[in-house]
Amino acid sequence: AQSVAQPEDQVNVAEGNPLTVKCTYSVSGNPYLFWYVQYPNRGLQFLLKYITGDNLVKGSYGFEAEFNKSQTSFHLKKPSALVSDSALYFCAVREGGSTLGRLYFGRGTQLTVWP
Amino acid sequence: GAVVSQHPSWVICKSGTSVKIECRSLDFQATTMFWYRQFPKQSLMLMATSNEGSKATYEQGVEKDKFLINHASLTLSTLTVTSAHPEDSSFYICSASLPWAFFGQGTRLTVV
Repeated sequence: AQSVAQPEDQVNVAEGNPLTVKCTYSVSGNPYLFWYVQYPNRGLQFLLKYITGDNLVKGSYGFEAEFNKSQTSFHLKKPSALVSDSALYFCAVREGGSTLGRLYFGRGTQLTVWP
Repeated sequence: GAVVSQHPSWVICKSGTSVKIECRSLDFQATTMFWYRQFPKQSLMLMATSNEGSKATYEQGVEKDKFLINHASLTLSTLTVTSAHPEDSSFYICSASLPWAFFGQGTRLTVV
């Protein structure tokens, strides 16, 4: 069965510091991995994806994520956090080979960046 | 980029009434759309998979007669909450895949 774990409910970081939001996954076959961001009372916005290719994926707003197959992880990172990055972040996985199938979401990590 | 539009953004209704939420893919055709429900500070719970021209596939525990889904065209799926009750109050989000998912803005439903 597919599943995603985001071990931290909350991540706090000072503006200008690097940030990491952790995600591990469990899936049969090759995974399609995604990160989304949600602002209050809004839908989810796509940040980045890993389908195949380079393990380091660059996405929107300066975010990047590294696919680590041996550790089954896909941590989201940003070298220098902004206050405006404060939001709820979701990691998601879709079983490989299915481009239209459902996503399995982690429980979300609330990122707070303080000035 | 691809856009999914969800309407309304928020709605308040009385107990016992029905509410329809629309999800439109604006610049692409979506044979499959997904409906999620989100409780405060929680993850998204998949309610059902909406397939154009056929019946929706509901997740276990989701009442089919309570949450009616219609996907009559390749650009429109609707979710109707029938005989709404206060416990149906929630944030409902739709998505379509292209192949990664694009989400609507969400609908905040409050049943009073």
